[in-house]
Amino acid sequence: EVQLVESGGGLVQPGGSLRLSCAASGFSYNTYWVNWVRQAPGKGLEWVANIKEDGSEIHYVDSVKGRFTISRDNAKKSLYLQMDSLRAEDTAVYYCARDRGIHRTFDNWGQGTLVTVSS
Amino acid sequence: DIHMTQSPSTLSASVGDRVIITCRASQNINGWLAWFQQKPGKAPKFLIYQASTLDSGVPSRFSGSGSGTEFTLTISSLQPDDFATYYCQQYNSYPLTFGPGTKVDIK
Repeated sequence: EVQLVESGGGLVQPGGSLRLSCAASGFSYNTYWVNWVRQAPGKGLEWVANIKEDGSEIHYVDSVKGRFTISRDNAKKSLYLQMDSLRAEDTAVYYCARDRGIHRTFDNWGQGTLVTVSS
Repeated sequence: DIHMTQSPSTLSASVGDRVIITCRASQNINGWLAWFQQKPGKAPKFLIYQASTLDSGVPSRFSGSGSGTEFTLTISSLQPDDFATYYCQQYNSYPLTFGPGTKVDIK
């Protein structure tokens, strides 16, 4: 069974940093792209970033470029999101999601971790 | 960026109804479209990819169609478990973008 488990969310002040983690199991992690997708309270879904199987290709939504860094450790079957210079508008549930093979969509999701940016 | 819209934003329906949700892209997305179902407090569930291919285990009452810039999600006979919010998502180009969602609630 595919499992994705996020951790690392919490309350942080504007301008602060936080590192999210996602632990994967139940599939060959090093053969899939993986993503971060977020959802602000009461709002819709927003794709944040993704990373290729070997980490050689990365994409970000413009609103997080230069502030967030996605990375992965295939030996640990883990995905990370380093979030710096956080803003109130980054407040959201952050989901880790696996790609659907050649399709850049999301066939398995974690339960999400809540990040709140507030003073 | 490719902008996605959905209509209606809210849909009130009864069990057994046929439900159709429309998703439009601001430019041709070559059929690279997915649909998701989300219930309150839960992660989205993957339903359909490449506009019309059902993911494994998705009930056959769900179907997707469309091409170019206009796509539809159809639920042939609404079941109690189907009351949820539905999102479309394009993956033709970066940034990957979602529609704003369509909430299907009980009439």
